[in-house]
Amino acid sequence: AQSVSQHNHHVILSEAASLELGCNYSYGGTVNLFWYVQYPGQHLQLLLKYFSGDPLVKGIKGFEAEFIKSKFSFNLRKPSVQWSDTAEYFCAVIKGKLIFGQGTELSVKP
Amino acid sequence: EPEVTQTPSHQVTQMGQEVILRCVPISNHLYFYWYRQILGQKVEFLVSFYNNEISEKSEIFDDQFSVERPDGSNFTLKIRSTKLEDSAMYFCASRMAPGQGMNYGYTFGSGTRLTVV
Repeated sequence: AQSVSQHNHHVILSEAASLELGCNYSYGGTVNLFWYVQYPGQHLQLLLKYFSGDPLVKGIKGFEAEFIKSKFSFNLRKPSVQWSDTAEYFCAVIKGKLIFGQGTELSVKP
Repeated sequence: EPEVTQTPSHQVTQMGQEVILRCVPISNHLYFYWYRQILGQKVEFLVSFYNNEISEKSEIFDDQFSVERPDGSNFTLKIRSTKLEDSAMYFCASRMAPGQGMNYGYTFGSGTRLTVV
């Protein structure tokens, strides 16, 4: 079945560590890709999005993601995480509607 | 920055009761959505609404669910007879239609936490 897959369910890092969260999708053709973040007790917020052009997209709060078409991937990265990055991160694809991955919970230890 | 507003933020209801979750989308948006997130699970699509009718719905969106845009500003989700398994966070979202701009990004509300007891 077509889907969006996030490889890591829960990631625990220390502050200043580098972050990479995996996302793969199985939809063919043109895709629009997103990363959303959900801080504890808050709503979903858009981190970044890819529609076309430069496959390396930069978002808010120092996050970036790279679209690799051949790998059907859109991994999220941040060079140095902070405690305030503790949240749940969702990769999503638009195929008629927004379809979410399972989410990755990131815990950053001070 | 424009926001999608949802009320109430938390609702507790008894099993079998009807609930109405309310959303005020961004005023110039034309597509409206309801999603839900059961605790510990992923965000699931429920229904999309455009031009005063449902454009797509998921398997979850059965006859117990309905949506309405009663007055041109509110967008409501009604659950006719709630079940325990309806307990979840319900998110409303809206977006501009294609052709209004390249921004396909959805704007989400802060959610309504529904607890069925």
